[in-house]
Amino acid sequence: SQTIHQWPATLVQPVGSPLSLECTVEGTSNPNLYWYRQAAGRGLQLLFYSVGIGQISSEVPQNLSASRPQDRQFILSSKKLLLSDSGFYLCAWSGAGDTQYFGPGTRLTVL
Amino acid sequence: AQRVTQPEKLLSVFKGAPVELKCNYSYSGSPELFWYVQYSRQRLQLLLRHISRESIKGFTADLNKGETSFHLKKPFAQEEDSAMYYCALTLGSGNTGKLIFGQGTTLQVKP
Repeated sequence: SQTIHQWPATLVQPVGSPLSLECTVEGTSNPNLYWYRQAAGRGLQLLFYSVGIGQISSEVPQNLSASRPQDRQFILSSKKLLLSDSGFYLCAWSGAGDTQYFGPGTRLTVL
Repeated sequence: AQRVTQPEKLLSVFKGAPVELKCNYSYSGSPELFWYVQYSRQRLQLLLRHISRESIKGFTADLNKGETSFHLKKPFAQEEDSAMYYCALTLGSGNTGKLIFGQGTTLQVKP
């Protein structure tokens, strides 16, 4: 069966520090991959999606970037974190259908 | 632009009362609509999708294209229904499965 992992589960980082969040999927090949941010009172916002290795589409201009170095690995990064980057980050995958399957999320606090 | 609106941030009802979580969408084409749910300390997961026309955990949702709505209903709420509910829209095949989420409604079912 398919599973999706995210780490770390929680992260506290100072302003200006770099960021790397990782997401991996098991049990499927060539998934579509997505990064969302869930900010308080603002719902879920799609940040990036990828339909294949090295193919990244950005949905909103921001301080973050994404990469897909392997078929089932999706990384969210930043060179210098801002206070406004705080939030709950969710990774998701989808296959041939439209249903998306979500990871457990990473709670990021930027101080 | 495509948009999903959930007008209520919080909906509080007593156990056994009917529940209706509102969702309106803005899209000129033929959308596919979903309801996702996030129970406390669990992952965001699919509750139901309009093309399935099924009832999950007693919940149903009917797509009303005239009113551009996809309200989620349950005749008798249970305490275990307490969760965050998200309505979502996908633009269908050929659009990489991207989901546009509403801001979410927290359902609180009181004993």
